[in-house]
Amino acid sequence: LAKTTQPISMDSYEGQEVNITCSHNNIATNDYITWYQQFPSQGPRFIIQGYKTKVTNEVASLFIPADRKSSTLSLPRVSLSDTAVYYCLVGDPLIKAAGNKLTFGGGTRVLVKP
Amino acid sequence: GAVVSQHPSWVICKSGTSVKIECRSLDFQATTMFWYRQFPKQSLMLMATSNEGSKATYEQGVEKDKFLINHASLTLSTLTVTSAHPEDSSFYICSAIKSFTDTQYFGPGTRLTVL
Repeated sequence: LAKTTQPISMDSYEGQEVNITCSHNNIATNDYITWYQQFPSQGPRFIIQGYKTKVTNEVASLFIPADRKSSTLSLPRVSLSDTAVYYCLVGDPLIKAAGNKLTFGGGTRVLVKP
Repeated sequence: GAVVSQHPSWVICKSGTSVKIECRSLDFQATTMFWYRQFPKQSLMLMATSNEGSKATYEQGVEKDKFLINHASLTLSTLTVTSAHPEDSSFYICSAIKSFTDTQYFGPGTRLTVL
């Protein structure tokens, strides 16, 4: 499983765009990149998943450069309720034999200030 | 939707007793579920993979006789912490893979406190 590196923490203000970059230098050909959000004392919540280029949903955008050795989660116009820990994970969702195991790194603690 | 529930949401028990935590996929079937443990201000650590109808696969360093996992149906997996000790106090989270999506959906977690 590819190891990921994220900043430990980031501060932002309401209404700003937050970009969190994750490094995954040894990403494999079949690996996808998935981001989860976790609030205190809650289970992680799926945010977005992508393989290459750009993926956008109603919550966030995910930018993946051509070499796929990094990815950036973009949260547009954050609010106080976006204060959470964000985890970047890399893995092959189709490896049934491996049971789709996810290895969580340290995550990025995002604090949105008023 | 893809909703995963856990019960109980929190539990306090005495040292030496056993505690069972349930994980249910409410609106989908899950042949595979996972159990994680999370200590304060730390990341999630995978404990075991639970497969319906077969024995669970434990991660290195996780005692299978202490953390009993049963995945008896396509919507229910249970984790039993046997002979609990204070160091077992943690936040236990399960996840389930929704068939044909390969995305893990997580439960809300169970806070276990062992006195």
